[in-house]
Amino acid sequence: ILNVEQSPQSLHVQEGDSTNFTCSFPSSNFYALHWYRWETAKSPEALFVMTLNGDEKKKGRISATLNTKEGYSYLYIKGSQPEDSATYLCAPTFDGTASKLTFGTGTRLQVTL
Amino acid sequence: EAQVTQNPRYLITVTGKKLTVTCSQNMNHEYMSWYRQDPGLGLRQIYYSMNVEVTDKGDVPEGYKVSRKEKRNFPLILESPSPNQTSLYFCASSLRPRGGPAGTDTQYFGPGTRLTVL
Repeated sequence: ILNVEQSPQSLHVQEGDSTNFTCSFPSSNFYALHWYRWETAKSPEALFVMTLNGDEKKKGRISATLNTKEGYSYLYIKGSQPEDSATYLCAPTFDGTASKLTFGTGTRLQVTL
Repeated sequence: EAQVTQNPRYLITVTGKKLTVTCSQNMNHEYMSWYRQDPGLGLRQIYYSMNVEVTDKGDVPEGYKVSRKEKRNFPLILESPSPNQTSLYFCASSLRPRGGPAGTDTQYFGPGTRLTVL
């Protein structure tokens, strides 16, 4: 089983703070990296998928970057809001022929007023 | 509404009593997967299917069976459940990428099934 690490494990910030977290993965045989947002009592929802080294994606206040050579991705949240509270999961795929994602354990973000 | 549905959402059962968790999607997706989520561990893939009658083991297939007789349904079968199968289970589906880079298909997750085996 491939090792995908996310850090920090959990994060507690105040409303308005900007924050970022990391996903590390093996760089060999890499095809794509997915980021998912998982709110408590709901199911994971897709945020981004990236494939190329240097890729950057943005969705509102959330953005992500990808470094395939060294095997990491950063997720940034600018001006955190309470509704951003969730667990953020990264999932690289090393199998280009099927949807076989390897999920990290996630970063749990809590944003308070 | 495009969605993935799972039933039941909650189930408490006893060791050895066969059970099936159903999964259905209405998006005509080829790919379907089952995952389990346990505290401190990421979502781990149990089985996946690339199309009707095509299934393959994921990372943690022991103790589970699946079938894919129709495109929309992908049931998860526990022939003889044990307490270590107590977990939160998610079904997911995705569309096979057409022309785009491999591995970029977005997975759509069902609402989850919380299973407790006593």
